[in-house]
Amino acid sequence: GAGVSQSPRYKVAKRGQDVALRCDPISGHVSLFWYQQALGQGPEFLTYFQNEAQLDKSGLPSDRFFAERPEGSVSTLKIQRTQQEDSAVYLCASSLSVTSGSMGYEQYFGPGTRLTVT
Amino acid sequence: AQSVTQLDSQVPVFEEAPVELRCNYSSSVSVYLFWYVQYPNQGLQLLLKYLSGSTLVKGINGFEAEFNKSQTSFHLRKPSVHISDTAEYFCAVSDQAAGNKLTFGGGTRVLVKP
Repeated sequence: GAGVSQSPRYKVAKRGQDVALRCDPISGHVSLFWYQQALGQGPEFLTYFQNEAQLDKSGLPSDRFFAERPEGSVSTLKIQRTQQEDSAVYLCASSLSVTSGSMGYEQYFGPGTRLTVT
Repeated sequence: AQSVTQLDSQVPVFEEAPVELRCNYSSSVSVYLFWYVQYPNQGLQLLLKYLSGSTLVKGINGFEAEFNKSQTSFHLRKPSVHISDTAEYFCAVSDQAAGNKLTFGGGTRVLVKP
């Protein structure tokens, strides 16, 4: 079946521009996560949705970062007034609900969007 | 707060030799543990996970890991590597109280040499 998809795969933005990154989770997956992966580092948590509810946004680095999932499926991560330090790969992951047993703890990752801010 | 330490940033290994990737974690609560692999320009793929039960966990592609609660470790092993195992490997921890968000280590790059 189809996995998690992300678009665009690559994005080059000039400093100060706004960008929007899209994530299409696996159909039926209740939980959706966004992570930021800087070059040469492990991914770092940004935010988490359970259906359309954003339950944790503690990892968003500044108020320039905003995420939404209005219908509980597709999610968009928006970065306003991009800065060079925003350059990274942005990974989206989805999973079943934890009430689904052990399978609910497996996160399935998309290929990521590589953002370069010049 | 949780944290994950991967002690080796790079591990060169010859084809058909064994490999062990070390992972230590710190957490004040019971945790779930994962190993992911990342091939160039791709997302992360789950190798194996420990939720409960047997401390020896077997995963895909011949990998296995052992959970050691007293040493707070979750080391990954493979008895004989292939060229195709060249990739970056990430250890991660989550806890249910935190909504299952993952905390990752810094990664270990495995380079398999012929």
